Amino acid sequence: DSGVTQTPKHLITATGQRVTLRCSPRSGDLSVYWYQQSLDQGLQFLIQYYNGEERAKGNILERFSAQQFPDLHSELNLSSLELGDSALYFCASSRGTDNEKLFFGSGTQLSVL
Amino acid sequence: DQQVKQNSPSLSVQEGRISILNCDYTNSMFDYFLWYKKYPAEGPTFLISISSIKDKNEDGRFTVFLNKSAKHLSLHIVPSQPGDSAVYFCAARGMNYGGSQGNLIFGKGTKLSVKP
Repeated sequence: DSGVTQTPKHLITATGQRVTLRCSPRSGDLSVYWYQQSLDQGLQFLIQYYNGEERAKGNILERFSAQQFPDLHSELNLSSLELGDSALYFCASSRGTDNEKLFFGSGTQLSVL
Repeated sequence: DQQVKQNSPSLSVQEGRISILNCDYTNSMFDYFLWYKKYPAEGPTFLISISSIKDKNEDGRFTVFLNKSAKHLSLHIVPSQPGDSAVYFCAARGMNYGGSQGNLIFGKGTKLSVKP
């Protein structure tokens, strides 16, 4: 158990809808990262938050947004969903910002039908 | 264009033998490299890492080798065990403009099967 909690584990929705993925980092970790893993793709970095502030941005679509709350949990919001957004979304956390060792949750499997 | 490449989608080895997983990268500014292991229905877990100032790091049965001139790293597992069967991801850390440490860039993974 990595200590990172992601909910829900599975999500099935329709095109055009909006969903929210939730992540609770390990106790004491201040950084939260979101990654997307599509079929036959590696983990694609989406966005990083550190202590409530956006730290780095990767290949995140404008239809996607995220935030980190004062209690350090994070939410990833995906809107106007398309079939191609179907993927496994991972949250990870780390103590600081150095990207040396990330602890991953078990992921949320999103299926857009 | 992929900056971190794992060209072998799968690898099968016999229990007790050596497993060698390979990873190539294109960006010479990467300063830190990691290997993660992933079992089905779980998130990736950190396995071993190496700084760009070293060429080898060892942790029990796992050794990572870095060849900077070839922009190549490899993970050796000796001896391989059935419990090592998993997907292995190679990752590299870049540098942001201005010199701060960047995010991890992952390869697509190699599925290792260790046969009893």
